[in-house]
Amino acid sequence: GQSLEQPSEVTAVEGAIVQINCTYQTSGFYGLSWYQQHDGGAPTFLSYNALDGLEETGRFSSFLSRSDSYGYLLLQELQMKDSASYFCAASTYNQGGKLIFGQGTELSVKP
Amino acid sequence: DGGITQSPKYLFRKEGQNVTLSCEQNLNHDAMYWYRQDPGQGLRLIYYSQIVNDFQKGDIAEGYSVSREKKESFPLTVTSAQKNPTAFYLCASSGQAFSYEQYFGPGTRLTVT
Repeated sequence: GQSLEQPSEVTAVEGAIVQINCTYQTSGFYGLSWYQQHDGGAPTFLSYNALDGLEETGRFSSFLSRSDSYGYLLLQELQMKDSASYFCAASTYNQGGKLIFGQGTELSVKP
Repeated sequence: DGGITQSPKYLFRKEGQNVTLSCEQNLNHDAMYWYRQDPGQGLRLIYYSQIVNDFQKGDIAEGYSVSREKKESFPLTVTSAQKNPTAFYLCASSGQAFSYEQYFGPGTRLTVT
């Protein structure tokens, strides 16, 4: 089947760095996206990797390794407002190119 | 302001009733999607539409129906055939079909008792 695995919860302190991992098993894979969702809110797009390597967008970076079927989201200089759920999503050539979402990682940032 | 609106934010219905969730976008996007989110779960695709007057089933379409008569609007009907309709429903759009960057509405939390 098609699946993405993420840790269910991660806790970190303000100012620290945290890494949220995502391993995927999808046929027709062509890219990995990351979305942030605050409790009860709309998911918002953070980052996308189509090629191996690191993409940096301000305090957030995302990494992809196609050979390992693995990616991660790196959040630096954590702030309280970063407490949210983070989803990885795989883009696929199959089934019309739909996004397949992971279960989400709930990040709690402590003072 | 461009964006996606969903209404209402909270909706309560009795079992056996059909209910329609609204989704409107003014982003001029061709593609629109409906997702379902259950507690502690990822998003699961219900239906999607790539152009007006066309739509396709997603992974969990049973018990749901949609229409796409206008580019801006993609309403979702949760029918009485949906066995477990209580969930958080999210509508999204993108400039092209299945872009990795989708724009989401604020969601409708449906409770059926």
